[in-house]
Amino acid sequence: AQSVTQLDSQVPVFEEAPVELRCNYSSSVSVYLFWYVQYPNQGLQLLLKYLSGSTLVESINGFEAEFNKSQTSFHLRKPSVHISDTAEYFCAVSGISYGKLTFGQGTILTVHP
Amino acid sequence: NAGVTQTPKFQVLKTGQSMTLQCAQDMNHNSMYWYRQDPGMGLRLIYYSASEGTTDKGEVPNGYNVSRLNKREFSLRLESAAPSQTSVYFCASSLRTGGESYGYTFGSGTRLTVV
Repeated sequence: AQSVTQLDSQVPVFEEAPVELRCNYSSSVSVYLFWYVQYPNQGLQLLLKYLSGSTLVESINGFEAEFNKSQTSFHLRKPSVHISDTAEYFCAVSGISYGKLTFGQGTILTVHP
Repeated sequence: NAGVTQTPKFQVLKTGQSMTLQCAQDMNHNSMYWYRQDPGMGLRLIYYSASEGTTDKGEVPNGYNVSRLNKREFSLRLESAAPSQTSVYFCASSLRTGGESYGYTFGSGTRLTVV
């Protein structure tokens, strides 16, 4: 079984500031890791994923996440946020060979002008 | 491509009424899922269908039933709605259950209010 803990329920930041959304996971098997984004009144969209290889993965809109196996973390970062990044972000994990996707509780990122 | 389509988008029910939420995907995925989303609780799995003809309970199945009508369609039924079922419901699909490296594709959600 797997579990995911997102350490911050809400993160307010000012535009152009850096941000980090924290995610820790627990699993007895090797995992795939995902970040999803949910804009207001919409469904979830895949932002980025870690499958294997380089521990640093990037999205097309400037977010990046780093897989740290020793700390069982997959934190999401962006060096300079925009108003349009305001959304709820979900970390998720699934086993490589089996297991459904398990989601964290979500982090609401609010970017202020 | 439409991806995952959910209907209706909004619904208000009275306590005790029944209704069915519809979900269809056009990506030839084998697995489909129903989640509910409540503030501060993330997404919780209600039921899933690993493949056509199979369904299994998730984390919070009480008060719900599902039908995997065919490979494309997976419906969620509330037999006797309760205020505790007020939530946003999401349908999702994936190529398979387990080891799914592509992640899930989500519908846009159904916002259900039970009064």
